[in-house]
Formats: sequence, structure tokens, C-alpha cells
Amino acid sequence: QKEVEQNSGPLSVPEGAIASLNCTYSDRGSQSFFWYRQYSGKSPELIMFIYSNGDKEDGRFTAQLNKASQYVSLLIRDSQPSDSATYLCAVTHSGGGADGLTFGKGTHLIIQP
Amino acid sequence: DVKVTQSSRYLVKRTGEKVFLECVQDMDHENMFWYRQDPGLGLRLIYFSYDVKMKEKGDIPEGYSVSREKKERFSLILESASTNQTSMYLCASSLSFGELAGFGEQYFGPGTRLTVT
Repeated sequence: QKEVEQNSGPLSVPEGAIASLNCTYSDRGSQSFFWYRQYSGKSPELIMFIYSNGDKEDGRFTAQLNKASQYVSLLIRDSQPSDSATYLCAVTHSGGGADGLTFGKGTHLIIQP
Repeated sequence: DVKVTQSSRYLVKRTGEKVFLECVQDMDHENMFWYRQDPGLGLRLIYFSYDVKMKEKGDIPEGYSVSREKKERFSLILESASTNQTSMYLCASSLSFGELAGFGEQYFGPGTRLTVT
């Protein structure tokens, strides 16, 4: 059973601070790793993906991947109230993308003004 | 930009009705997916398709069927709606990993909130 684990939260972070979201996965063959943001009542929106070990930065967001530890994280710098949402971690199954993604249940992030 | 559209944002149906949910994508993606999302249970894959007329069962296919007659369109069918099918239904599409620099990332439509009474 392929699994993606996330702390459900809520994770409360003061405005302007760094929010750190974590995810572990069970399938060692997973090739790509994604972070989606989902506002209440809306559909998931892709914000970043990473496929190589190390860090990948995009604006205020940094994704970190450690395949040896089967661990993915998302850092949000200078957190804003508009970052308050549920963040879903997703990983591809080994063997390619046609089988879809395995999603975690998400971490609810609250940025406190 | 990838655009995935779904036929309805909100839908109310009666128990026993046949329900059709339509999804259209405009990016020539091979893969299309139907999920349902429920509080505390996360996203659960119902069916997916990797080519026209091809379909594969996901984790929770019971009570559902799908149709993919054209590459851009993927339909989810509830043969006889039941109250436990009240949920948010999400359609997504993707390129396969390695195809045209795709990494398997999925793009979602806006969702259909279905209520079965």
C-alpha cells in the first residue's frame, strides 16, 4: 500500500514567519513530488514540484527532497494571511504518471495576522 | 495555461437517479482522472484513463463507471445515485512522466459538489 503521510494540523504560524510543511512517503520508486494548495471549497492548485534531491526555490516557496529518508518538505517564507489553506503533498507511483498520484490528506495551515 | 472544466459546480440529485459528470481539458493530455474528496478521507481515486476508450479502476470504483470517447473529455457516471455518494468530485488531467517534459503533475478542474437526497 503506497502511503503519503502529513500532519493534519492545524499549523499556526505568525505573519511574516517561515511556515514548514512536511511529508513522508512509502514508495521508494516514486519519481516526482508535488505540493498543492487548496483553499476551502476550491480545487487543489499545483504550486511546486521537485524530482531531484535537494532544494528547489520558486519565489517565497522552497521544496526540499530527501529520497534516502523518503521525505519532502515545503517552506513558505514571509508567510501571508493569503497562504492560509490546506497543503497537499502528492507523489507519483513508481512506473510513471499514468497511474496517477498518491495524495496525503493535507496539512491545514493558518497564518495569524 | 492548462484548463480543465467541469460541467457543473453544484448538483443536487435524488437517490436512484443516473448522474453524469463531465470533464473537458484543453491541453491534449493523455491521462485523465476522477477523484472524490471527503472531509477526513482526503482525495480518493475513482477511475482514470490513459487513452481514448481506455479506463482503469482506482481505489473506490464501486457504484461508478466512466467513459472516454474523445481525448479531451472524460465522463463519470453514477448509475444509481445513493446518499453515500454525496461528495466533492474532482477531475484532473496530466501528461505522463517523461512525455513532453511532463513529470506527472496533475491539473484539476474546479470540482462538482454533488448532493444526493
